Amino acid sequence: QSVLTQPPSASGTPGQRVTISCSGSSSNIGTNTVNWYQQVPGTAPKLLIYSNNQRPSGVPDRFSGSKSGTSASLTISGLQSEDEADYSCAAWDDSLNGYWVFGGGTKLTVL
Amino acid sequence: QVQLVQSGAEVKKPGASVKVSCKASGYTFTTYGITWVRQAPGQGLEWMGWIRADNDHRNYAQKFQDRVTMTSDTSTNTAYMELRSLRSDDTAVYYCATGVSFDHWGQGTLVTVSS
Repeated sequence: QSVLTQPPSASGTPGQRVTISCSGSSSNIGTNTVNWYQQVPGTAPKLLIYSNNQRPSGVPDRFSGSKSGTSASLTISGLQSEDEADYSCAAWDDSLNGYWVFGGGTKLTVL
Repeated sequence: QVQLVQSGAEVKKPGASVKVSCKASGYTFTTYGITWVRQAPGQGLEWMGWIRADNDHRNYAQKFQDRVTMTSDTSTNTAYMELRSLRSDDTAVYYCATGVSFDHWGQGTLVTVSS
């Protein structure tokens, strides 16, 4: 059971816009920034978005992130076949001694 | 370029220990800590803990507090994660990562716990 809640699956056709949600609480998303990771099955995660809405160098600008209250979203505009992957959100949680929490991941299928 | 290279797959019996290594290159090893994250088959990512490479400060997830030890060797730019008293539900791919936002990841090490 992951601390951050994501839908298990999402889908879209090429060119569409898809949004993946990530729901948390006041001790994690409500207080700290959110990162998003893309993971092609069988490979390591790759940082996609950091600090809610910042893209590392090399990440296409069709990937964007946002945060409001205790929820965050990842939006992919102009969906492409190579975007088919698992997407996970993460945030620092201030409870206990502090620790990182992740969402359970959303499998994105490009139809 | 930043690179993290992990040790190879391991098969262990329940009750045994495993030690996974993560060799860093392409950046100053002591600049960032090394974080360990695992992923059980078909499951999400799970944070295990973090070690700061320059002063060995550690922060372990409460779940692993009694069973995990993270160390680092600045002479070889290598971090280690040892997990003891292995159980079948410890079967997972174990990743090391570095950077403020886990910018860079190792390739992963599959640890299989089976009798």
